[in-house]
Amino acid sequence: EDQVTQSPEALRLQEGESSSLNCSYTVSGLRGLFWYRQDPGKGPEFLFTLYSAGEEKEKERLKATLTKKESFLHITAPKPEDSATYLCAVQDTDSWGKLQFGAGTQVVVTP
Amino acid sequence: DGGITQSPKYLFRKEGQNVTLSCEQNLNHDAMYWYRQDPGQGLRLIYYSQIVNDFQKGDIAEGYSVSREKKESFPLTVTSAQKNPTAFYLCASSILLTKGNQPQHFGDGTRLSIL
Repeated sequence: EDQVTQSPEALRLQEGESSSLNCSYTVSGLRGLFWYRQDPGKGPEFLFTLYSAGEEKEKERLKATLTKKESFLHITAPKPEDSATYLCAVQDTDSWGKLQFGAGTQVVVTP
Repeated sequence: DGGITQSPKYLFRKEGQNVTLSCEQNLNHDAMYWYRQDPGQGLRLIYYSQIVNDFQKGDIAEGYSVSREKKESFPLTVTSAQKNPTAFYLCASSILLTKGNQPQHFGDGTRLSIL
């Protein structure tokens, strides 16, 4: 069965203090790995799709990377507006149409 | 602006009552999905639909029902058979998956509570 595990569960950062979030997964075959940002009381907002090991995507202070067993979301010099829960989801080649989500990492950036 | 509209934002259910959550999209997406989100857990798939008048059960379909009479609309009914309905419900849509690894886009959710 597909599994997606995110760590840490929560992360508290000072403004400007860079860090990384981890998403480890077990799937029979990876079709795609997705990162989302979710603010309290809102739906997830799409950030990145990664398809194959070695791929990297960047958006402002966020950079996502992918290996065969895990993905990292690097937050460089974060600002308070980067505070959110970051969700990782995988799409398996065998489970057509479904995304398997991790429980998320809650990030708080203080001034 | 294109997007997904969920209503109502908050909903309260009495014991023995069925309630229906609305989801409308104007993105011209073929596929639509319903997820349930509980604290400390990942999103879990309830139902999904790839085309009008067709839908499939997800991982936690018991106690829920859906319909897909129009491409733009995918309402979810939480029936009285769902004994633990309190959760945040999210609707999503995407381009039909046979066209590649397209991301799902989400509405802003409905929070359902028991009275």
